[in-house]
Amino acid sequence: DVKVTQSSRYLVKRTGEKVFLECVQDMDHENMFWYRQDPGLGLRLIYFSYDVKMKEKGDIPEGYSVSREKKERFSLILESASTNQTSMYLCASSLMDGTFRADTQYFGPGTRLTVL
Amino acid sequence: RKEVEQDPGPFNVPEGATVAFNCTYSNSASQSFFWYRQDCRKEPKLLMSVYSSGNEDGRFTAQLNRASQYISLLIRDSKLSDSATYLCVVNLRTGANNLFFGTGTRLTVIP
Repeated sequence: DVKVTQSSRYLVKRTGEKVFLECVQDMDHENMFWYRQDPGLGLRLIYFSYDVKMKEKGDIPEGYSVSREKKERFSLILESASTNQTSMYLCASSLMDGTFRADTQYFGPGTRLTVL
Repeated sequence: RKEVEQDPGPFNVPEGATVAFNCTYSNSASQSFFWYRQDCRKEPKLLMSVYSSGNEDGRFTAQLNRASQYISLLIRDSKLSDSATYLCVVNLRTGANNLFFGTGTRLTVIP
């Protein structure tokens, strides 16, 4: 079974703090993603990466950055947390093999971040 | 206009009932379609993929209508354990993975 883990289930930070969210997958997937999920808005893509040191902006990258130094690890960084970044953050991974199997994304358990 | 639209519900149905959800998508170039299930305070998990006109997996049937740009999910003989939010997901297949998620339809199965 694919396993995607995230460093924290719940996190409380103060406005202006730098926040690191870590995600690790154990299935050698090329693609990794960071989403945030808010009521009524669904999942929105923040950033994704299709290879080590590669990153692409998603729909809402403002206020976030990412790092992918190793294939299995994808980090989301909030340089200066703000209250509007209070949300559920979900990491996901998928294959990149040119088949339909690459469409399936496997999600981590999520990190519920509260910024005070 | 949203890429993927779903009725948020909630749908409250008795055990044993049949329930259907619809989802519409705006981009006719969309290539692949999925239903994910998300339990309360948990992550989404793939329920079914829909690559042609539709497919069936036990009590669950997913159908795709490209002409009208919608997909549906039918659940027969509902169980209490089916209570969850069902996310409709569409892949445009333009370059790297490009999934669009609906906001989800909430289902509660009542004893």
